[in-house]
Amino acid sequence: DAGVTQSPTHLIKTRGQQVTLRCSPKSGHDTVSWYQQALGQGPQFIFQYYEEEERQRGNFPDRFSGHQFPNYSSELNVNALLLGDSALYLCASSYQAYEQYFGPGTRLTVT
Amino acid sequence: ELKVEQNPLFLSMQEGKNYTIYCNYSTTSDRLYWYRQDPGKSLESLFVLLSNGAVKQEGRLMASLDTKARLSTLHITAAVHDLSATYFCAVDSGMRFGAGTRLTVKP
Repeated sequence: DAGVTQSPTHLIKTRGQQVTLRCSPKSGHDTVSWYQQALGQGPQFIFQYYEEEERQRGNFPDRFSGHQFPNYSSELNVNALLLGDSALYLCASSYQAYEQYFGPGTRLTVT
Repeated sequence: ELKVEQNPLFLSMQEGKNYTIYCNYSTTSDRLYWYRQDPGKSLESLFVLLSNGAVKQEGRLMASLDTKARLSTLHITAAVHDLSATYFCAVDSGMRFGAGTRLTVKP
């Protein structure tokens, strides 16, 4: 079992650009959640997907959007990047929102 | 708005000593999670606490949950250097995380 995988590992973008991050959940998991973790802080919940629909959303602007595919994998899209979007983006998967398993994260740097 | 407060935020302790990390939250929740994060790494699930009075232990770590007091504790027994990491609690209402407790265990 490969566990939760994320791609890419690192990414450097310029302000105003758009970015797509990808996540493959652990085998048997049907729920994917995305988090943003700034340096030295706790993870902030962005949103959660279940059955290809956004089930919960945290306090993030509409620039942050996502998608879940029939195979349960997920994408996080961020438009009009700001310097403040620089962070570690974590994906977590679970079976029906029970115990979450986190992926290794994608480190996004916006310059 | 749900608030999750951990204390202390920084903890330096000597090997062999005991200590407790506290996690208070502001609204009703039936699930509480504890995670460990090593520098530059992702989060590792330690405990899932599902009901009032739940107590779970793994090695030198023991977690408990009091839903009436809206309080969870993570107790460290006879600390060893390998426990040095940042510990987060999270409450299952929009998965709100605490700010984390950065633990350093010194010889």
